[in-house]
Amino acid sequence: GQSLEQPSEVTAVEGAIVQINCTYQTSGFYGLSWYQQHDGGAPTFLSYNALDGLEETGRFSSFLSRSDSYGYLLLQELQMKDSASYFCAVIGSGAGSYQLTFGKGTKLSVIP
Amino acid sequence: DTAVSQTPKYLVTQMGNDKSIKCEQNLGHDTMYWYKQDSKKFLKIMFSYNNKELIINETVPNRFSPKSPDKAHLNLHINSLELGDSAVYFCASSQEGGAGGSYEQYFGPGTRLTVT
Repeated sequence: GQSLEQPSEVTAVEGAIVQINCTYQTSGFYGLSWYQQHDGGAPTFLSYNALDGLEETGRFSSFLSRSDSYGYLLLQELQMKDSASYFCAVIGSGAGSYQLTFGKGTKLSVIP
Repeated sequence: DTAVSQTPKYLVTQMGNDKSIKCEQNLGHDTMYWYKQDSKKFLKIMFSYNNKELIINETVPNRFSPKSPDKAHLNLHINSLELGDSAVYFCASSQEGGAGGSYEQYFGPGTRLTVT
C-alpha cells in the first residue's frame, strides 16, 4: 500500500518563501504530485515529478528524491491567495491501473 | 465551459434514505473517480472507472455503488445512508497516464452530503 507524511499546518509571512515536505512509502512508484485546495473548493493540480530534481512553474517549484522517498513543494513570493491546503499525492501501481493516494494535507496560512 | 460538473452541490438527507450524486466530464477523459473528503480533509479514493469498467474498488461499504452509463458520466448511488457518510464527495477525471504523462486529475466542485 501507500502512505504519506506531511506537516499538518504551516504559517508564513506574505512575500516570504515556504517549503512543504512530503515523505512517502509506496510500491510501484510512478511519481509524486501536488494539489492545492482552497476552503470550500476543489483540489487543483499544481505539479508532477517522476524523476529526481526540481520542477519549476512560476512561483511554485516541486522537488523529488526517489532514493529518499521524499519531495517538497516550494512556494516563493507568497501571496495572501496562497492560503490553502496543499496535498502531496503518490502515483503508484494499483489494481488494473495506477492509483493516486493523497497525504492528509498541509494547511498553509499566509499572514501580512 | 465546466470541465467536471457534479450535482447537487449540497445534499441534506435523513438516515436510511437512498440518494444519488451525478458527475459529468466534457474533457474526453478515459477514467473517472469518486473521492470522499472527511471533516479532517482527508481525501480518499472510493472508485475509479476506465472505459466503463471498474478498475479500483477500495474498501467502501457496498451501500455505495458507482454507475457509469457512458465514458462521460460516473454517478454515485448511496443506499441506507448513515451519519458517518456525511462528507464532501468529489468526482474527478483523468486521461490514462495524464496530460503529458502527469497523471493530472481534474476535480469537480464537490457535493457536500449531510446526513441527519
